[in-house]
Amino acid sequence: NAGVMQNPRHLVRRRGQEARLRCSPMKGHSHVYWYRQLPEEGLKFMVYLQKENIIDESGMPKERFSAEFPKEGPSILRIQQVVRGDSAAYFCASSRGGSNEKLFFGSGTQLSVL
Amino acid sequence: GNSVTQMEGPVTLSEEAFLTINCTYTATGYPSLFWYVQYPGEGLQLLLKATKADDKGSNKGFEATYRKETTSFHLEKGSVQVSDSAVYFCAINNNAGNMLTFGGGTRLMVKP
Repeated sequence: NAGVMQNPRHLVRRRGQEARLRCSPMKGHSHVYWYRQLPEEGLKFMVYLQKENIIDESGMPKERFSAEFPKEGPSILRIQQVVRGDSAAYFCASSRGGSNEKLFFGSGTQLSVL
Repeated sequence: GNSVTQMEGPVTLSEEAFLTINCTYTATGYPSLFWYVQYPGEGLQLLLKATKADDKGSNKGFEATYRKETTSFHLEKGSVQVSDSAVYFCAINNNAGNMLTFGGGTRLMVKP
């Protein structure tokens, strides 16, 4: 039973380019959470999605960031016109349900903006 | 809103030393409390959790007790090993679901 799969593992972009981060949840999990970890800081919640729906995006920057979790395929975190401050590790987690469920984390995508 | 404060690292210990990593929180209602561990190059793994006051979570020799009166959830281990070297995160969830609020993380380095 594969765990939460994130790709790419490392992503390098130049300022102004787009970054697309993918997350495939564990089998049977329909809830996905994205977190961002800035250097030497803890993880900050960004967005919570359930299949085809955004449940809570209170941690997402209002500009340039978007997330989706389509009926088929992985969840995508999209960052348009990246800036150096977007450099961070982005972690995805999934759970079977939406309340009091164990979260399983992926290994993260390290985004570096040159 | 919820917040978590944990002691800053790095914490450097010799093998078999006693470990304490402090964690305090502020929250409305009755959150569940968690410790996650992040080994180098990997994602976070749940280490232990406690869901109500006075509960003790334990795993792999680590333990932490949910102290509502002091709003704390300190992580302890009686005898650390080199393989325990990692970053440890204290976290709480909200009452309604699985969104976690994390502390800043504490890096533990255990020397042989």
